[in-house]
Amino acid sequence: AQSVAQPEDQVNVAEGNPLTVKCTYSVSGNPYLFWYVQYPNRGLQFLLKYITGDNLVKGSYGFEAEFNKSQTSFHLKKPSALVSDSALYFCAVRANTGGFKTIFGAGTRLFVKA
Amino acid sequence: DVKVTQSSRYLVKRTGEKVFLECVQDMDHENMFWYRQDPGLGLRLIYFSYDVKMKEKGDIPEGYSVSREKKERFSLILESASTNQTSMYLCASSSGVREQFFGPGTRLTVL
Repeated sequence: AQSVAQPEDQVNVAEGNPLTVKCTYSVSGNPYLFWYVQYPNRGLQFLLKYITGDNLVKGSYGFEAEFNKSQTSFHLKKPSALVSDSALYFCAVRANTGGFKTIFGAGTRLFVKA
Repeated sequence: DVKVTQSSRYLVKRTGEKVFLECVQDMDHENMFWYRQDPGLGLRLIYFSYDVKMKEKGDIPEGYSVSREKKERFSLILESASTNQTSMYLCASSSGVREQFFGPGTRLTVL
């Protein structure tokens, strides 16, 4: 069965410092992996995805994520956090073995302090 | 600019009422999804559709039904609303294996 774990409910970081939001997954076959962000009172927005190819993927707003197959992880990173990055972040996984179902993690709230 | 719209941002209904939530996308996507979002639980899939008139149950379909008569429109129906269906409802669409595009959400309160 597919599953996604975001082990931290909340991440706090100072503006200008690097940030990491963690995600691990379990899926049969090779995964399609996604990160989405939700700003207050708004729907989810797509940040980046891993389908195949280079393990380091770059996305919107300076975010990047590294696919690590051996550790089944897809951590979201940014070299220098901004206060405006404060939001709720969701990791999601979909198996490439067919079907349309995407499983979302519980979400991690990121607070960036000025 | 791609767009997914939902019929209401906020909705208040009474227990036992029939509730319709509508979602429209303008991207000609074949896949459409309904999720509910609850704190600490992330997004849980209620139903999805991969083509007109086709539907598949997600993880929590009980108490819900859906309708997709046209490619661009996907409706979620609460046959008899209950207080435990108070939640944020999110609609999304996608093409193939690509990312999903989400609507702004409908916050439903059932009294």
